[in-house]
Amino acid sequence: AQSVTQLDSHVSVSEGTPVLLRCNYSSSYSPSLFWYVQHPNKGLQLLLKYTSAATLVKGINGFEAEFKKSETSFHLTKPSAHMSDAAEYFCVVSGAGTASKLTFGTGTRLQVTL
Amino acid sequence: NAGVMQNPRHLVRRRGQEARLRCSPMKGHSHVYWYRQLPEEGLKFMVYLQKENIIDESGMPKERFSAEFPKEGPSILRIQQVVRGDSAAYFCASSPPGQANSPLHFGNGTRLTVT
Repeated sequence: AQSVTQLDSHVSVSEGTPVLLRCNYSSSYSPSLFWYVQHPNKGLQLLLKYTSAATLVKGINGFEAEFKKSETSFHLTKPSAHMSDAAEYFCVVSGAGTASKLTFGTGTRLQVTL
Repeated sequence: NAGVMQNPRHLVRRRGQEARLRCSPMKGHSHVYWYRQLPEEGLKFMVYLQKENIIDESGMPKERFSAEFPKEGPSILRIQQVVRGDSAAYFCASSPPGQANSPLHFGNGTRLTVT
C-alpha cells in the first residue's frame, strides 16, 4: 500500500520569497514520486519526478525537490516565488513497476502575493 | 505534437441522463488512464486501459460506469443514469507502451455538472 500526505492545504508567500510545499509518503517499496501542478481549470502538468536516481531532483520553472528516505519526505522548493506560480500542487506516488495507480495527495494551494 | 485531448471541456447533464467523456491520447501512446477529481480533493484512479483491453478497473464504481478504448478512435468513459454525486472533473492521461514508470501526460479534463 502507498499513500501521500501533503501537510499544508494552503500556503501563502510574497513574490520573490522562497516556496516550500511539504509532502510525506508511505510506501512498502522504493517509490517513484512526482510533483504535478494544476492551474485553474487546466490539466495537470508534470513539474518533476524522482525514480531512484539522484535524490535532488530539478524540475521546470525553477522548482526542485529532495527525496529523503530517512524522513520519508519529498518536499518541493523554489528559491523565489513568481506570481505565475500561484496554482494547486499535488505530490504523487506511483505503484511498483507501473504508473497505472498513481496515488495523489490532497493538494496544496499556493498563493503568491505582491 | 498534440497533447492528450479531452472533450467536451464542460458537460452538463440532468439526473438520470447519460454522460460520455472522450479522450484521445498523445500520439504514440497506447495506454490510457482515467482519474476523477472531486471538489477540493486530489485525483483518484478509476481505470487503466490499453487498446481493446481493460487492464485495471479497480477504481471504477461497480454500477453505471464503464470505459472502453477501441482499436480505432478515442477512449470513452460512460456514466449512465448520472446522479449529483457524479459531478466532478474527469481527467484522462496517457503513457507510451513499454515504459512502466513513465510519467503520465494529462489532458485538461472534462468538468461534469449534474443538475
